[in-house]
Amino acid sequence: NAGVMQNPRHLVRRRGQEARLRCSPMKGHSHVYWYRQLPEEGLKFMVYLQKENIIDESGMPKERFSAEFPKEGPSILRIQQVVRGDSAAYFCASSPGSWAKLFFGSGTQLSVL
Amino acid sequence: EDKVVQSPLSLVVHEGDTVTLNCSYEVTNFRSLLWYKQEKKAPTFLFMLTSSGIEKKSGRLSSILDKKELFSILNITATQTGDSAIYLCAVEANAGNMLTFGGGTRLMVKP
Repeated sequence: NAGVMQNPRHLVRRRGQEARLRCSPMKGHSHVYWYRQLPEEGLKFMVYLQKENIIDESGMPKERFSAEFPKEGPSILRIQQVVRGDSAAYFCASSPGSWAKLFFGSGTQLSVL
Repeated sequence: EDKVVQSPLSLVVHEGDTVTLNCSYEVTNFRSLLWYKQEKKAPTFLFMLTSSGIEKKSGRLSSILDKKELFSILNITATQTGDSAIYLCAVEANAGNMLTFGGGTRLMVKP
């Protein structure tokens, strides 16, 4: 039973490029969450999605960031025109229902040059 | 704004020692508190606490919640080098089960 799968593990982008981060939740999980972790800091909530719906995006910057969780396929976190401050580890988590025990993926380390 | 504070920030102990990690919170409409262990990869779930005074235990790890004083502790007895990790405390508040994380405690266990 595979866990939460994120890819790529590492992503290097130059300023101004786009970054696409993918997350496949655990089998049977329909709730997906994205968190960002800066060095030496805790995880910060970005967005919560269910299939085809954004439930809460209060932690996601209004500009350049978007997220989707289509009916088929993985959830995508998209960052347009990346800047150096976007460099961080981005973690995806999933749960089978609306309770808090989340299962995390291994994260995508984004580095912006 | 919901707030979760962990202490100490970091801790170095020797194998066999007992450690206590602290987590205090200020949130609206508390629902649950969770502890995660983060090594190099994904945070892995340890405990979920919803009721005051009931200790949860898993091997050498245990945790308890005090909803009156708004804190939780995570105890690790007879520490081993494999316990070296960042321990994250998170609180679920309000609806929507988003978690607010503390900054973590970095534990290093020396042989």
